Amino acid sequence: RKEVEQDPGPFNVPEGATVAFNCTYSNSASQSFFWYRQDCRKEPKLLMSVYSSGNEDGRFTAQLNRASQYISLLIRDSKLSDSATYLCVVNVGNQGGKLIFGQGTELSVKP
Amino acid sequence: GAGVSQSPSNKVTEKGKDVELRCDPISGHTALYWYRQSLGQGLEFLIYFQGNSAPDKSGLPSDRFSAERTGGSVSTLTIQRTQQEDSAVYLCASSRGPPGNEQFFGPGTRLTVL
Repeated sequence: RKEVEQDPGPFNVPEGATVAFNCTYSNSASQSFFWYRQDCRKEPKLLMSVYSSGNEDGRFTAQLNRASQYISLLIRDSKLSDSATYLCVVNVGNQGGKLIFGQGTELSVKP
Repeated sequence: GAGVSQSPSNKVTEKGKDVELRCDPISGHTALYWYRQSLGQGLEFLIYFQGNSAPDKSGLPSDRFSAERTGGSVSTLTIQRTQQEDSAVYLCASSRGPPGNEQFFGPGTRLTVL
């Protein structure tokens, strides 16, 4: 079993749609959680950190359920520019700073 | 300010040759990480440097891989006797300590082993 698992993609949605990405992690010692975005042939960039209380940044909402070891990302009113691969990322507290990445879910937003 | 830089951006080499990949982290960042991303695969952790502590080498796939970080700044990842399966994009990231802080990635070095 992979340490971080994400929905397989790709997701193809029209502009304006709401899209949800799901992610599960296996290590209960995981302490920090993130969503990164990676554009084609580019480096990953932090989209948002994920907090236990849930957090929102404009059209993006992230949720964390520690009991279920589940993380989600919701994108509302999707834009063409949201097309990218979304990476669920976990930092296990007792393993220093290394990040464990999910395989990523590709999103394609069409006009 | 300047981000993480890596060189070269592309490297093509023949099987069996040694290669060195360089990473310049963001100034003041104490933590430096190497990852690799193979075609169609997720990012795979290789090695992590934090300040003056011993590096976490737990992700290095074989003893052909090594890395050093001189003076707490620039890092070099060396792959000896390259194999075709080493072909990947090698990404470097840096962050302010402690663990859990945002990691900023460089543009990567695309390595192709013929």
